Order: sequence, then structure tokens, then C-alpha cells
Amino acid sequence: GAVVSQHPSWVICKSGTSVKIECRSLDFQATTMFWYRQFPKQSLMLMATSNEGSKATYEQGVEKDKFLINHASLTLSTLTVTSAHPEDSSFYICSASPSGRHYNEQFFGPGTRLTVL
Amino acid sequence: QQQVKQSPQSLIVQKGGIPIINCAYENTAFDYFPWYQQFPGKGPALLIAIRPDVSEKKEGRFTISFNKSAKQFSLHIMDSQPGDSATYFCAASGQGTYKYIFGTGTRLKVLA
Repeated sequence: GAVVSQHPSWVICKSGTSVKIECRSLDFQATTMFWYRQFPKQSLMLMATSNEGSKATYEQGVEKDKFLINHASLTLSTLTVTSAHPEDSSFYICSASPSGRHYNEQFFGPGTRLTVL
Repeated sequence: QQQVKQSPQSLIVQKGGIPIINCAYENTAFDYFPWYQQFPGKGPALLIAIRPDVSEKKEGRFTISFNKSAKQFSLHIMDSQPGDSATYFCAASGQGTYKYIFGTGTRLKVLA
């Protein structure tokens, strides 16, 4: 149980285009989902917290207009990187917290490798 | 006060050894401490987690030791195997929030 999927697993795009990444909780409902960014050999950097049916909460320094997050249902959150540039190239990982749990478990997706040319 | 300090940065052990990874925190409001294992190019996988009301938790070959007064917790991997070679992250989370504060990670290599 507690499986989270991401799609696509990797994407290459041209500078200036937008890319959408999907995060799905496959066998549980998740009121809260998270989006992280990870650079090589570094820790996970939280970008934003996504709550179903409400606006995402972004961490300091993360551009809301560049990284659009939509949490449309209890099993799906999307991250859209708008007008992508080479510096946006990174490993993006989502996680989901099962609804109704007493403690703060997060289950992570397999990640999406974004390369912007 | 929101930091979680993790050490060592890297660790090499022989097969069968017991690597120990340590984490320290300052915020006494933290009440959930998970450990994650991450292989290259993959997302982190939850290994084991502990809450402050217990001092030790075991799941298979993985053990968390928790010292509430010292605000420290550690991961022990018993009978380590080459397949355990990965990066390990500790994290902490507080009451009223699902956000994690991650440690900087420990790259473990288990030699055959």
C-alpha cells in the first residue's frame, strides 16, 4: 500500500515551453501533497504544500507564477513549470500524506527528471 | 531552530557491519521522526519512523534509537548488505504541520 506515482518519469523540453508533472496517490486519498526539488547529491528542498481544493502554500523564494500547483482531487496534484529555462532543470519529487492519519507520514513518488535545453 | 543536522556525510562499511547515522534537532515541537532511503534516480522510500514516546523502534534490520533529552535520533542498520548502499535522509515534523525538515543526507556504501 501507500503507492505514489509520477508522470512523466523524465522530460526534455525547449527553453520557454511549459511542462506539467502529475502526482497521483494510487491506493489512498491524500488531502495534502508536497512538491520537492532535488539537486544532485543534495537533500530535498520543499517547494510547496498542496491541499485539495485550496491554493498551494509556497516556500520562501519559490516563484508562484513559475511553478503552478493544482490539487484538483484527493488523489491528484499537478506541478506546471511555466516558461522553463535551463536553470529549472532538476529532479522534481512529489509526496502525499494519507488523509485521516494521526501522524505525519509522507510517501514519495519516483520523481521526474526535467531537462530544459 | 528548524534545522536537522545529520552526520556523517558519507560512510563506508564492510558487509555485515552496523552503520550508524545520527541526526540532531533543536525544535522541541517536533514529534515525528522518519528515515528515508533513496537510490540514485529514485524517490525516497520510507524505512522506519519513530515518535518521542518511545526510545527505540525496530523494523527488520533497521533500528531507530531516540534520545529525547539530547534531541538526537539515530538509524542503525544491522547486518548491512551491498544492496543497502544508498543515501539515507532523516527528517522531523512537528505538531499541526505535515511539513518535513530534512537532514542533509548520508551516502552509505557497503562493501561486499
